[in-house]
Amino acid sequence: NAGVTQTPKFRVLKTGQSMTLLCAQDMNHEYMYWYRQDPGMGLRLIHYSVGEGTTAKGEVPDGYNVSRLKKQNFLLGLESAAPSQTSVYFCASTPTGAYGYTFGSGTRLTVV
Amino acid sequence: AQSVTQPDIHITVSEGASLELRCNYSYGATPYLFWYVQSPGQGLQLLLKYFSGDTLVQGIKGFEAEFKRSQSSFNLRKPSVHWSDAAEYFCAVVPSGGYQKVTFGTGTKLQVIP
Repeated sequence: NAGVTQTPKFRVLKTGQSMTLLCAQDMNHEYMYWYRQDPGMGLRLIHYSVGEGTTAKGEVPDGYNVSRLKKQNFLLGLESAAPSQTSVYFCASTPTGAYGYTFGSGTRLTVV
Repeated sequence: AQSVTQPDIHITVSEGASLELRCNYSYGATPYLFWYVQSPGQGLQLLLKYFSGDTLVQGIKGFEAEFKRSQSSFNLRKPSVHWSDAAEYFCAVVPSGGYQKVTFGTGTKLQVIP
């Protein structure tokens, strides 16, 4: 049972480039989330999904897009990367919010 | 809006000493409460959670937490800290009764000295 898998683990982008981060979970969880973690700021929610085909904005959605075409996958896209998007990105999933999250191990993204 | 406060950014304890990490929340009703631990370079791992009932909850790795409604607190404790407990700890809140997104505190980094 792999849990939540994030790919890639590391990436360096040039300003203006695009990329997609993939999150895959094998626990049949309904809810999936993308967070970014920056020093001294804790985790901030970017986007989330409450089921296949649904997405919703979190507290810092600008510059990001998401898709949840399949229940087990939640993709985070950066259309035109900016240095301010340098961060560690975490995906999480849960059957419901009351059960707590299962987190992936993160993607460290640097935009130069 | 709900909020979570972890007043201690960094704590240093000696190995074998007791530990208490503070967490206060602001919310109209009693929410679901969680503690997570993050080791360097890793994702967050759930330590324990409180929904209702007994206000003292036990978690993994020998941790426990006590919910105090009157103080809006959910402090994490461990009687004897091990060097492997060095990590960052996050308190989190979810409004009760739903799937709503979690609000995380900003974290407390624990250093353990020999």
